[in-house]
Amino acid sequence: AQSVTQLGSHVSVSEGALVLLRCNYSSSVPPYLFWYVQYPNQGLQLLLKYTTGATLVKGINGFEAEFKKSETSFHLTKPSAHMSDAAEYFCAVSEDAGKSTFGDGTTLTVKP
Amino acid sequence: DVKVTQSSRYLVKRTGEKVFLECVQDMDHENMFWYRQDPGLGLRLIYFSYDVKMKEKGDIPEGYSVSREKKERFSLILESASTNQTSMYLCASSSEIPYRGGYTFGSGTRLTVV
Repeated sequence: AQSVTQLGSHVSVSEGALVLLRCNYSSSVPPYLFWYVQYPNQGLQLLLKYTTGATLVKGINGFEAEFKKSETSFHLTKPSAHMSDAAEYFCAVSEDAGKSTFGDGTTLTVKP
Repeated sequence: DVKVTQSSRYLVKRTGEKVFLECVQDMDHENMFWYRQDPGLGLRLIYFSYDVKMKEKGDIPEGYSVSREKKERFSLILESASTNQTSMYLCASSSEIPYRGGYTFGSGTRLTVV
């Protein structure tokens, strides 16, 4: 069975600071891993994904994530936060191309 | 621009009504999903479908049914709406090919049952 744990339901950073959102997963097979972003009253939008190949994955809006098999982690980072990054972020894992299991989400607040 | 379209952004229905939530995707995706999202509970899978006329129960199927008569359309049905079904409903689709993985979500339908 697959599962996802997002450490910290709320993260607050200052504008220009590093963003680090943590995600750990469990999976019985090599996983596919995803990060999504959700702005208020909208659906989720795919930020980036790891399916195979390079373990450092770059996504939209300057975000990237690194797949670390030994740590079963897929943390999301951005070097410099912008006010427009304030949103809820979800990590997800899938064991095939089918259904994904989502974490509970992390709300990112960016302070001016 | 490829997308998933949910027929309504906001709906208000009365207790006991039969409610249809429609979802259409234009990406020729094989897989389609219905989730509900509630504060503090994250995204919970209601039903999913990997092919036309195929459906599988997710984690919380009670009180819901689905229909997939055409590849591009996946409908969620609340047989007799209840107040505890007030929620944000999200439809998503994905390809069956792993390297194309990841969901494309619709904008969501916020349903209020009164």
